[in-house]
Amino acid sequence: LAKTTQPISMDSYEGQEVNITCSHNNIATNDYITWYQQFPSQGPRFIIQGYKTKVTNEVASLFIPADRKSSTLSLPRVSLSDTAVYYCLVRPRAGGYQKVTFGTGTKLQVIP
Amino acid sequence: ETGVTQTPRHLVMGMTNKKSLKCEQHLGHNAMYWYKQSAKKPLELMFVYSLEERVENNSVPSRFSPECPNSSHLFLHLHTLQPEDSALYLCASSQETGSGAQYFGPGTRLLVL
Repeated sequence: LAKTTQPISMDSYEGQEVNITCSHNNIATNDYITWYQQFPSQGPRFIIQGYKTKVTNEVASLFIPADRKSSTLSLPRVSLSDTAVYYCLVRPRAGGYQKVTFGTGTKLQVIP
Repeated sequence: ETGVTQTPRHLVMGMTNKKSLKCEQHLGHNAMYWYKQSAKKPLELMFVYSLEERVENNSVPSRFSPECPNSSHLFLHLHTLQPEDSALYLCASSQETGSGAQYFGPGTRLLVL
């Protein structure tokens, strides 16, 4: 199962774009990359998922280079409410959910 | 609101008590999960159910007993817990195959005295 590595914490000012990079050097051919957001004392919330190149939704963008050994979550113009822990996960396309681990995530602090 | 509800939201119990946590999903998903999140630690997957059958038990002590009577409901029965079992217990659900998204409930904050 692919192991992921993320920075433990990041600070950003309001209105800035934030990029959080996750390394997953031994990602398998069938693995997808998924990002979650978690606020204190709440369950994680699915943000975005991708397999290769770029994926964008109303919340974030996910950039995946050709070798897929890393991925970058991009949050445009963050606000104070984006202060949370962000988790990068790698999981097989079908099934295998039982082996997914969340890791320690990246704690993002948005500063006024 | 994620479509996954958990009750109670907070629970205080003694080590000799028996209590149950309840989870319900309104998303039509086939897989349900229990996670434990202790302070300063990553989420730990405890149990996985697929179509009401347990498919994963990550070496969880027997004082935690899951039950999945149907695909919409999941219970975690607790008995003779230890203080170190105090944590946030999260329930999640997902489509059984082909979906990366797990939808989490708000969790039950458990304190064992």
